[in-house]
Amino acid sequence: KQEVTQIPAALSVPEGENLVLNCSFTDSAIYNLQWFRQDPGKGLTSLLLIQSSQREQTSGRLNASLDKSSGRSTLYIAASQPGDSATYLCAVSTVKAAGNKLTFGGGTRVLVKP
Amino acid sequence: ETGVTQTPRHLVMGMTNKKSLKCEQHLGHNAMYWYKQSAKKPLELMFVYNFKEQTENNSVPSRFSPECPNSSHLFLHLHTLQPEDSALYLCASAEGGFASYEQYFGPGTRLTVT
Repeated sequence: KQEVTQIPAALSVPEGENLVLNCSFTDSAIYNLQWFRQDPGKGLTSLLLIQSSQREQTSGRLNASLDKSSGRSTLYIAASQPGDSATYLCAVSTVKAAGNKLTFGGGTRVLVKP
Repeated sequence: ETGVTQTPRHLVMGMTNKKSLKCEQHLGHNAMYWYKQSAKKPLELMFVYNFKEQTENNSVPSRFSPECPNSSHLFLHLHTLQPEDSALYLCASAEGGFASYEQYFGPGTRLTVT
């Protein structure tokens, strides 16, 4: 059974610092990995999708890497801003779990202080 | 309206009530999903529909009854719920029910069972 872990559970940084969020998964046979952002009480906004054949994806200040063999992904957010404060979730789509079912990690709650 | 919409956004119901949650996607997708997000627990998949057919029921109690009349609409019918069913219920859609497709989420319905 796929398990997804995100460390740390919470992170507080001053504005301008780079953020590094970690995600690990136990079954490396995945189709893809998605990073989401969730604001308090709101739905999920997709940030980046990395297919299993890719090593990284970039969008603006965001960069996500994927090391499938070791079961790890890292989300980097450069030059953090107070507006980046949110919970960040990673989710994987596992080969053995048919039908595009996502398994989510518990999330990392980020606070960027002005 | 664009993307994935959910109504109502907030719902308070007693344990003997019957209510329904509605999800609509305007993306031309063929797969739709219900997820549950409880406090301090990772997002859990509940149901998957692919081309209007239910392809996954993740051991969800029968007091939750999904309905997918067409590829654009998904309902979750609720009856005789328990206080522990209070959670954020999220709907998502994807181009298809295959694992390579990105999932897009709605804003969620915050359900409180009293």
